[in-house]
Amino acid sequence: DAKTTQPPSMDCAEGRAANLPCNHSTISGNEYVYWYRQIHSQGPQYIIHGLKNNETNEMASLIITEDRKSSTLILPHATLRDTAVYYCIAYYGQNFVFGPGTRLSVLP
Amino acid sequence: EAGVVQSPRYKIIEKKQPVAFWCNPISGHNTLYWYLQNLGQGPELLIRYENEEAVDDSQLPKDRFSAERLKGVDSTLKIQPAELGDSAVYLCASSLRGTGGLVEQFFGPGTRLTVL
Repeated sequence: DAKTTQPPSMDCAEGRAANLPCNHSTISGNEYVYWYRQIHSQGPQYIIHGLKNNETNEMASLIITEDRKSSTLILPHATLRDTAVYYCIAYYGQNFVFGPGTRLSVLP
Repeated sequence: EAGVVQSPRYKIIEKKQPVAFWCNPISGHNTLYWYLQNLGQGPELLIRYENEEAVDDSQLPKDRFSAERLKGVDSTLKIQPAELGDSAVYLCASSLRGTGGLVEQFFGPGTRLTVL
């Protein structure tokens, strides 16, 4: 599975969009990009995944570059409850490999 | 629908003692995972089950760790004897392969182990 790199931390003002970047320059053609988040003292929670196309669900949007070497998770209107560690994972068929993720702090 | 259930939530033991963690996955989920999470790091896979079979246990320290998933439902992870470095959160997850490449893992709340 391809390795991903993310900034260790980010801040975002409440009500604003949070844009979390992820680099996966060695991703292979059949690897999906997954995003999970982990709120303090809880297990990780699935957010969204995609292969080539941009994706949107009730939680977030996922923008994948055309060359698939990077992606951005967008939380359109961040709330205090979105404060968490966000993990970007490149996955196909084997096991999820979680890196240290990005610690997002949503500030009032 | 109940989520992944783990017990206990917290466990404090002295080094060299044995400890066991229990996990009940979401009903119908055939894949079960045990992860270890150290402070400030992402979860690391210890073992993955497909039904009763351990299909990937390459990261499980087999000298002291063991796991079982009887009847392909509940699972138990055991450490014997525990060492100071085993202090961590032990997470259980389960999944059911869906369409469109989706393998959504549902995680339990974890067991926080402290070894003194």
